[in-house]
Amino acid sequence: KAGVTQTPRYLIKTRGQQVTLSCSPISGHRSVSWYQQTPGQGLQFLFEYFSETQRNKGNFPGRFSGRQFSNSRSEMNVSTLELGDSALYLCASSPEGQLTTEAFFGQGTRLTVV
Amino acid sequence: GNSVTQMEGPVTLSEEAFLTINCTYTATGYPSLFWYVQYPGEGLQLLLKATKADDKGSNKGFEATYRKETTSFHLEKGSVQVSDSAVYFCALIFTGGGNKLTFGTGTQLKVEL
Repeated sequence: KAGVTQTPRYLIKTRGQQVTLSCSPISGHRSVSWYQQTPGQGLQFLFEYFSETQRNKGNFPGRFSGRQFSNSRSEMNVSTLELGDSALYLCASSPEGQLTTEAFFGQGTRLTVV
Repeated sequence: GNSVTQMEGPVTLSEEAFLTINCTYTATGYPSLFWYVQYPGEGLQLLLKATKADDKGSNKGFEATYRKETTSFHLEKGSVQVSDSAVYFCALIFTGGGNKLTFGTGTQLKVEL
């Protein structure tokens, strides 16, 4: 069974640009969550999607958005990039809705903003 | 709010030494608890979990017991190997609250020959 796939693995963008990251969950998983990992703030929850609906949201500005498609694949978008958005962005998928307690992570997308 | 506190790293040990990484949590209610491991350049891998008080999670020689009375979930291994060098994260989640993990800051472990 294929794991969680995130594309691209690495990305370099310029301040002010926007970026879209993609996550393909494990087959059959309907929940996809996104996390930002930085040396200073550690791992922070961005948002979670389940059945194409945002179910949970972290404390990030509106520049961070996401969506989920009917095949459970998810994208996150960051607009008007800032230097502080440089981070490893991790996606996690989970097999069920309310009853699951386990998340499987992808390898992440390393975003560098210059 | 919910939070997880881990011991500061880095932790440096000799091969075959005993490992303990402390983790305590603050939460309203009874979450499920996890240890994740992150190797250099990789995402997170689930190491072990416990879903209720007194449960013991174990995997690859690592163990952790869910202690409700002390709100702790300390990670232990009797004999570490060089290949265990990684960053370890303690995390919690509430069943029924969606899939939102709250992580500790991570503890870097370096095992030397």
